Amino acid sequence: QKEVEQNSGPLSVPEGAIASLNCTYSDRVSQSFFWYRQYSGKSPELIMSIYSNGDKEDGRFTAQLNKASQYVSLLIRDSQPSDSATYLCAVNGANDYKLSFGAGTTVTVRA
Amino acid sequence: DGGITQSPKYLFRKEGQNVTLSCEQNLNHDAMYWYRQDPGQGLRLIYYSQIVNDFQKGDIAEGYSVSREKKESFPLTVTSAQKNPTAFYLCASSIKVRDYEQYFGPGTRLTVT
Repeated sequence: QKEVEQNSGPLSVPEGAIASLNCTYSDRVSQSFFWYRQYSGKSPELIMSIYSNGDKEDGRFTAQLNKASQYVSLLIRDSQPSDSATYLCAVNGANDYKLSFGAGTTVTVRA
Repeated sequence: DGGITQSPKYLFRKEGQNVTLSCEQNLNHDAMYWYRQDPGQGLRLIYYSQIVNDFQKGDIAEGYSVSREKKESFPLTVTSAQKNPTAFYLCASSIKVRDYEQYFGPGTRLTVT
């Protein structure tokens, strides 16, 4: 089983809609969870971090964490063409120093 | 402007040659990391460093070497022992190794033929 799994894409949403991205992780004691956005040919950019169960909102982005279900999600509200990118979920365990990354979900926002 | 720089952006080498990728940061971060990204795959950790003169192997260290002689610099050497070196190489840093928000440089795309 992969350490971090993301829903397979690509995900195509119309402009103005909500894009929902999911991520599950295998390490039950993981403490820190991150979402990165990566445009084609570019490096990942940190867009959200979440450490506690519940929702965290930042502008049009909402991260949701459920540690009991080992599940973290990212919602993009009012999707814009500029949101078209690959979104990487990253999870850090409690006992090591590394981030484990999912393979990413590619989102396309169509005008 | 604070940030992480990587050079060069593109690098082409012949098989059997060692090549060194540069990574510099002026964020005053203690921790630095090297990742490799292959198409359709997540990032995989090659090496990380918590502090000057210290570094640890990641998941795929074979065929790579690093040094950390200065806080600002963490160069990666891809040796001829690396069987499949063509990839996108990303350097990242964070305040401490346990401050998990990692910030990435622009990357170096290495092609070995």
